[in-house]
Amino acid sequence: GAVVSQHPSWVICKSGTSVKIECRSLDFQATTMFWYRQFPKQSLMLMATSNEGSKATYEQGVEKDKFLINHASLTLSTLTVTSAHPEDSSFYICSARVDTGDQPQHFGDGTRLSIL
Amino acid sequence: GQQLNQSPQSMFIQEGEDVSMNCTSSSIFNTWLWYKQDPGEGPVLLIALYKAGELTSNGRLTAQFGITRKDSFLNISASIPSDVGIYFCAGFYFGNEKLTFGTGTRLTIIP
Repeated sequence: GAVVSQHPSWVICKSGTSVKIECRSLDFQATTMFWYRQFPKQSLMLMATSNEGSKATYEQGVEKDKFLINHASLTLSTLTVTSAHPEDSSFYICSARVDTGDQPQHFGDGTRLSIL
Repeated sequence: GQQLNQSPQSMFIQEGEDVSMNCTSSSIFNTWLWYKQDPGEGPVLLIALYKAGELTSNGRLTAQFGITRKDSFLNISASIPSDVGIYFCAGFYFGNEKLTFGTGTRLTIIP
């Protein structure tokens, strides 16, 4: 149980385009989801906390107009990287809060974003 | 954002050797978690610790929640090739919701 699916797993696009990444909780409802960014050989850094039906809470230094988060249902949160540039290339990972079980968050498999 | 200090940063060992890594924080946590991440994938939970002083095993893995609640260690015994990857500790404090991750330990097994 508590499976989190992320799509796409890999995307390559031209500089200036916008890219949407989906995070779905497949077998449970998630009122809270989290978006992380991971640069090569670095740790996961929290970008924002996504709450169903309300605005996301962004960590310090993360541009909310650059990284749009929508959590319109209890099973889906989306992250849109607007006008992406090469420096936005990274590994983006989502997770969903789980109120029961052995861990507070279940993670998706990540999306590798490459901006040319 | 805050990161936990994890050491060593990398390890090069031979198959069969034991591995030990630790994680320290300037603040206390209610829960310590240890994850393994393979290339191109999300982190996978290995062990969760909920109580100061707790020692928990999962197969060849053993982890402890430090008595001060500010540190934790992970041991891997008799390493095998599939142990290769990056290991992250993470701290969680009830009421905060957020996980704080360590800087990671990259484990490489030398043939």
